[in-house]
Parts: sequence; structure tokens; C-alpha cells
Amino acid sequence: QKEVEQNSGPLSVPEGAIASLNCTYSDRGSQSFFWYRQYSGKSPELIMSIYSNGDKEDGRFTAQLNKASQYVSLLIRDSQPSDSATYLCALTPPGGYNKLIFGAGTRLAVHP
Amino acid sequence: EAGVAQSPRYKIIEKRQSVAFWCNPISGHATLYWYQQILGQGPKLLIQFQNNGVVDDSQLPKDRFSAERLKGVDSTLKIQPAKLEDSAVYLCASSLSAGVNEKLFFGSGTQLSVL
Repeated sequence: QKEVEQNSGPLSVPEGAIASLNCTYSDRGSQSFFWYRQYSGKSPELIMSIYSNGDKEDGRFTAQLNKASQYVSLLIRDSQPSDSATYLCALTPPGGYNKLIFGAGTRLAVHP
Repeated sequence: EAGVAQSPRYKIIEKRQSVAFWCNPISGHATLYWYQQILGQGPKLLIQFQNNGVVDDSQLPKDRFSAERLKGVDSTLKIQPAKLEDSAVYLCASSLSAGVNEKLFFGSGTQLSVL
């Protein structure tokens, strides 16, 4: 079982819709969770972090964490074509040292 | 603020050759990471330095990969000899410290093609 699992996509949504990206993880002791955005040919860029159960909102982005279900999600409201990218879910496993384990990413395509 | 600098941007070599990548982290960042990202996959941590000491190199193929950060600033990652499966983007990242939840800043990466 992979440590971090994501649907590879592509997830295709129309402009203005809500895009919902999901991620599950295997280690219950995982501490912190992150969503990175990666445009084609570019490096990952942190867009959201979440550390405790519940929702965290930042502009058009909402991260949701459910540790009991080992599930993290990212909602993008009012999706724009510029949101088209690969979204990587990452976590810090038990033991710390800020080591990040990434999923393979979900490709999002927002069409006008 | 200058970001994480990496060079070269692209490198093409033949299998069994050697190659080296260079990274200069953000000034003042104590922690430096090398990640390998194979096409279609997420980045995988190869090695993490705290100043000039190694914190984690559990996924570094030590028979062919080596890395150093001698003065606690710049770092080099070397592959010798390269294999076809080493074709990937090598990302360098840095953070202020190794504390949990410290933000990582990534460089632009070096795209390696092994023929």
C-alpha cells in the first residue's frame, strides 16, 4: 500500500465550478498535511497546510482533514483555467525532521 | 529574496557516465533537501541535510549516488555511474530549520536524461 494515494486524473471541471481533490494515507501517525501545486515543467509550490481535523480556508482554497478516516482533501472554489496543474498531496510521517512524503499527484484541467 | 538556485537546468548523458548537480539554498536556511521526481510521480526524498550533517538518507541509492554539503551552505549531488532509470528531475529544496511544519522552498530543478 502506498503511503500517500491520489487519483491521477485528469480531473476536468468547467470554469467557475468547484474542484475536489482527494488524498488518502496509510500511516495513522502522520502529523502534518500539505497541498502543493505543480505547473508543468515547474517546481512544486505550497498552497495549503493543515495539521488538525476539520477545515481550513484560504481564499478560494479549503483543505479538509479527517484523521480517523486517514483522508485529506482540497476544494478549489470558482475554478479558473490558471488553476490547471498537478496537485500533490504530501505529509510528514511520524518521526519528524520535516521529511515530506508526496503522493503522485492529481492533474486538474479547468476548461473555459 | 533570492530563491533556491540549481544548476544545470538540463543535462543529457549516456548510461554509465557520471553527473553532478549543484544547489545553493536560500540564505540562512539550515536544512537542505534533494528530491528525485520521476515523470508521473511525486517527488521522493533522497537526502536531507541539517547544516552540514545528514539527517536522512534512507532512500539514497548509496552504491551510485552521493551528496555533500561541506560548509553547510551549497550542496552537490552526484550520480556515478548513471542508469537509465535515473532519468528524472532532481529538485533541491531548503527550509529555515528541520522543525516539523517548516515551509520548504523548491528550486527549479535539474532535468536529467540518461540515454
